[in-house]
Amino acid sequence: NAGVTQTPKFQVLKTGQSMTLQCAQDMNHNSMYWYRQDPGMGLRLIYYSASEGTTDKGEVPNGYNVSRLNKREFSLRLESAAPSQTSVYFCASSSHGSPSTDTQYFGPGTRLTVL
Amino acid sequence: AQSVTQPDIHITVSEGASLELRCNYSYGATPYLFWYVQSPGQGLQLLLKYFSGDTLVQGIKGFEAEFKRSQSSFNLRKPSVHWSDAAEYFCAVGVSRGGAQKLVFGQGTRLTINP
Repeated sequence: NAGVTQTPKFQVLKTGQSMTLQCAQDMNHNSMYWYRQDPGMGLRLIYYSASEGTTDKGEVPNGYNVSRLNKREFSLRLESAAPSQTSVYFCASSSHGSPSTDTQYFGPGTRLTVL
Repeated sequence: AQSVTQPDIHITVSEGASLELRCNYSYGATPYLFWYVQSPGQGLQLLLKYFSGDTLVQGIKGFEAEFKRSQSSFNLRKPSVHWSDAAEYFCAVGVSRGGAQKLVFGQGTRLTINP
């Protein structure tokens, strides 16, 4: 039981390049999330998927797209990377979507640098 | 809009001393509140959460937190810290939207332990 896995762990891009961050969970969770973490700003929600087949914008969606490929996998795509997207990206998942009965489990993160 | 403030960016305590990390939130309804811990280079791990009932919540690793509605606070405490508690701590408020649980995080407090 690996929990939430993310690939790659590290990535360096040049401005304008594209890439996809992969996330998978093996806990049969319904909901999945992408956050970015920047110094002094905590984590901010980029996109989320309440269930397979649905996605919604979070707090900072500009410059990103997502795909909920199936129940296990939720990918984050940068079409044209910018230096402002240098950050650590975390994927998370949760089962029911209700905070009263639920917990978000986080992956180990992807450290992305855009030059 | 909901928000979370952690007034202390960095705290240093001696091993064996008591600890209190502050968290203030802004949310119109009854809040769901969380404390997460992040060790260097790792993802986030849930320490404890509050959603209703007893305002003093016990968590893992000997941590507890007290919800005070009148002060809009959810401070984290530990009676005696260990060197392994050195990490970054995040307070968050949970908001249910469309079947998903969106977390809004504070800026984080970095804890350093002196031997």
